[in-house]
Amino acid sequence: EDKVVQSPLSLVVHEGDTVTLNCSYEVTNFRSLLWYKQEKKAPTFLFMLTSSGIEKKSGRLSSILDKKELFSILNITATQTGDSAVYLCASTSGTYKYIFGTGTRLKVLA
Amino acid sequence: KAGVTQTPRYLIKTRGQQVTLSCSPISGHRSVSWYQQTPGQGLQFLFEYFSETQRNKGNFPGRFSGRQFSNSRSEMNVSTLELGDSALYLCASSSGRDNGYTFGSGTRLTVV
Repeated sequence: EDKVVQSPLSLVVHEGDTVTLNCSYEVTNFRSLLWYKQEKKAPTFLFMLTSSGIEKKSGRLSSILDKKELFSILNITATQTGDSAVYLCASTSGTYKYIFGTGTRLKVLA
Repeated sequence: KAGVTQTPRYLIKTRGQQVTLSCSPISGHRSVSWYQQTPGQGLQFLFEYFSETQRNKGNFPGRFSGRQFSNSRSEMNVSTLELGDSALYLCASSSGRDNGYTFGSGTRLTVV
């Protein structure tokens, strides 16, 4: 059965800290791995990774995929209170299906 | 550019009733997928449509169904509602399989 597992489930840090969120996957006919940020309702798209070893960056956020070890990490440097959210990882398969992890709840304290 | 629009935003129904939720994708997006989000189960894939065809379905009972119209708008129907169907239902659209999905704000369904 296809699955995506995220760790840790929750995390509390202080502003300025760097955090690393983990996502491992077991998906048939893997195509891509995506990261989303969910604050209140609609998840917002962060990154899509398809190639192993190529880092994607957007400001203080970066992500990388390891297709050999079947995992991805999301790094957030110099965290701010506005980074507090649930971070979701999802994997897409060749059958047009998205499988989401249960998310990592990040709380950044001022 | 308008985002993904879901209606209604909130809905309260009683057990045994049926409900229809609507999703208007971003203009030009032909792929629409639906998800159920609950605190215990996280985001669970319901189904995905592309050009009016259901391409994949998640592990939900037959009470959950959907369709997509020629203008890419999509509806999701749940019949014979159960208390456990209470959840946030999210719709997302994409221009293609290898692009990230853009989510709507969801419909919060409460079954009493």
